[in-house]
Amino acid sequence: GQNIDQPTEMTATEGAIVQINCTYQTSGFNGLFWYQQHAGEAPTFLSYNVLDGLEEKGRFSSFLSRSKGYSYLLLKELQMKDSASYLCAETTGGFKTIFGAGTRLFVKA
Amino acid sequence: DTGVSQNPRHKITKRGQNVTFRCDPISEHNRLYWYRQTLGQGPEFLTYFQNEAQLEKSRLLSDRFSAERPKGSFSTLEIQRTEQGDSAMYLCASSLRAEGNTGELFFGEGSRLTVL
Repeated sequence: GQNIDQPTEMTATEGAIVQINCTYQTSGFNGLFWYQQHAGEAPTFLSYNVLDGLEEKGRFSSFLSRSKGYSYLLLKELQMKDSASYLCAETTGGFKTIFGAGTRLFVKA
Repeated sequence: DTGVSQNPRHKITKRGQNVTFRCDPISEHNRLYWYRQTLGQGPEFLTYFQNEAQLEKSRLLSDRFSAERPKGSFSTLEIQRTEQGDSAMYLCASSLRAEGNTGELFFGEGSRLTVL
């Protein structure tokens, strides 16, 4: 099976920067996704990394190190609406996508 | 494009009854996935299809669960002889698997099952 590990909860202050880490098993790796899920809603796509390095998209950036089986999601200039669960997901060679348990982020004023 | 549609949105049933959920994916998407999600957890993989072919079914899934995608368009997920432990949100997602495409998943709003 595949183990995806990410912190259960994080708290940060409005306007700050937060980094959410994720580790995954490297066998059969074919891509790393981050999804955002607000309470009571379906997950929505945030970012995708398949090569090493940083992908930047507005306030959100995602980093990947394939040799280390490691990724992080960086959220800048936090807003209250960023309070949500952030799901790290690995796609394997058959393009099956497996999710971690998610990190619940609480943004406080 | 109306996105991924799931129905029913809510289903309350008694233990031992059978239930069926339907998912209509985004029309040009060739991949369709079923996940189950409980409170505080990430989506748990159940099964996925490429067109009408079921590529994999989770080993954690009992024989009471079956899914079909008969014409490579909509899909159904049936749970037979439901148990209280089956209570969860059942999420369907679709994606386009093609060269140069990330294959990101587009989720439906989910079907919430409560087994009494």
